[in-house]
Amino acid sequence: GAGVSQSPSNKVTEKGKDVELRCDPISGHTALYWYRQSLGQGLEFLIYFQGNSAPDKSGLPSDRFSAERTGGSVSTLTIQRTQQEDSAVYLCASSREINEQFFGPGTRLTVL
Amino acid sequence: GENVEQHPSTLSVQEGDSAVIKCTYSDSASNYFPWYKQELGKGPQLIIDIRSNVGEKKDQRIAVTLNKTAKHFSLHITETQPEDSAVYFCAASTNSGYALNFGKGTSLLVTP
Repeated sequence: GAGVSQSPSNKVTEKGKDVELRCDPISGHTALYWYRQSLGQGLEFLIYFQGNSAPDKSGLPSDRFSAERTGGSVSTLTIQRTQQEDSAVYLCASSREINEQFFGPGTRLTVL
Repeated sequence: GENVEQHPSTLSVQEGDSAVIKCTYSDSASNYFPWYKQELGKGPQLIIDIRSNVGEKKDQRIAVTLNKTAKHFSLHITETQPEDSAVYFCAASTNSGYALNFGKGTSLLVTP
């Protein structure tokens, strides 16, 4: 079946602009996760959704970052007033059960 | 919080040889340990995982071993092939935690 999809695949923006990144999880997966991968680094947890609620937002690096999920499916990650240090690959994952997470291809964000 | 360390950061082997990647974790409550393979420009792909109630799991050419006492786990790839070349990440989490805590990755190169 279809895997996790993310859009756009690449996003170039200017410092100070807002960006929205989208994630479509695998159908039937109730849990959704956002991670960030900086160049040459491991994956850094950002936020977790169970259904439409986010019981764990502990990884969001600042109040410029927010995320929502509607209809228990699609999620958007919004970064306001982007900074150069926000440049990274943003990865979304989904799971049917806690722990077995399947990742999408990611959105590469470049802030000029 | 959980700290996962992964070694080596780079590994080069000849086709047909075995490759071993090792990870250690700090949180004794961790009980789920997945391994991901990430090819260039793609999202991480779950290749094998192990839970704390078993010490070893095997799937064709790949195997994972877990030593809970020493808090380390390892990925073993036998009969390596050029298509095994990728970055491999280990991770750890708990049943009550949602975030996967990742190591910094191992870049594996299999030369023909």
